Amino acid sequence: GQSLEQPSEVTAVEGAIVQINCTYQTSGFYGLSWYQQHDGGAPTFLSYNALDGLEETGRFSSFLSRSDSYGYLLLQELQMKDSASYFCAGASSGSARQLTFGSGTQLTVLP
Amino acid sequence: DAMVIQNPRYQVTQFGKPVTLSCSQTLNHNVMYWYQQKSSQAPKLLFHYYDKDFNNEADTPDNFQSRRPNTSFCFLDIRSPGLGDAAMYLCATSREASYSYNEQFFGPGTRLTVL
Repeated sequence: GQSLEQPSEVTAVEGAIVQINCTYQTSGFYGLSWYQQHDGGAPTFLSYNALDGLEETGRFSSFLSRSDSYGYLLLQELQMKDSASYFCAGASSGSARQLTFGSGTQLTVLP
Repeated sequence: DAMVIQNPRYQVTQFGKPVTLSCSQTLNHNVMYWYQQKSSQAPKLLFHYYDKDFNNEADTPDNFQSRRPNTSFCFLDIRSPGLGDAAMYLCATSREASYSYNEQFFGPGTRLTVL
């Protein structure tokens, strides 16, 4: 199975840059995903890293290092609407790429 | 718009009274998942279907069952709900993953209350 660890809370101000780290211990790890979830809402996909390195999508970037069993999500130019929970999730090597979620990081963006 | 739909959005049941939650999708994805998410916790995978092949997570209680009569629909049956089963139940879908692609699309969830 997999277990993933991430900080429980992060606070930053509007316009800042914040990095949410995720370390994992796995068997059958295939890649690392990131999801955003607002209070009362459903998780929404942000990014997926199958290979080592940086993936950039607009204000969000995600990084993976397999050798270090480590990844991070980088959020730039923070906006109030970015206040949400962020989950890293390990994808299994099975055909359905099942996800095991980390415990989540609550990001609060202050004005 | 293509989407994942869950009904009902809110379900109240009594302790021990069977309940069925439903999920439908217009994305034509071949994989469907059911997750349980308790307050302030991460979503936890209960089971998934890859086409008609059912896959149960090892720690999913026997109290939880699922059916997928066709590509579009999937049901979660809780045979005898206990107080500990009160949670948000999330349905998700994905198309067959490739090496560089792995995205799940989540429905809005059904919040289950057990009295």
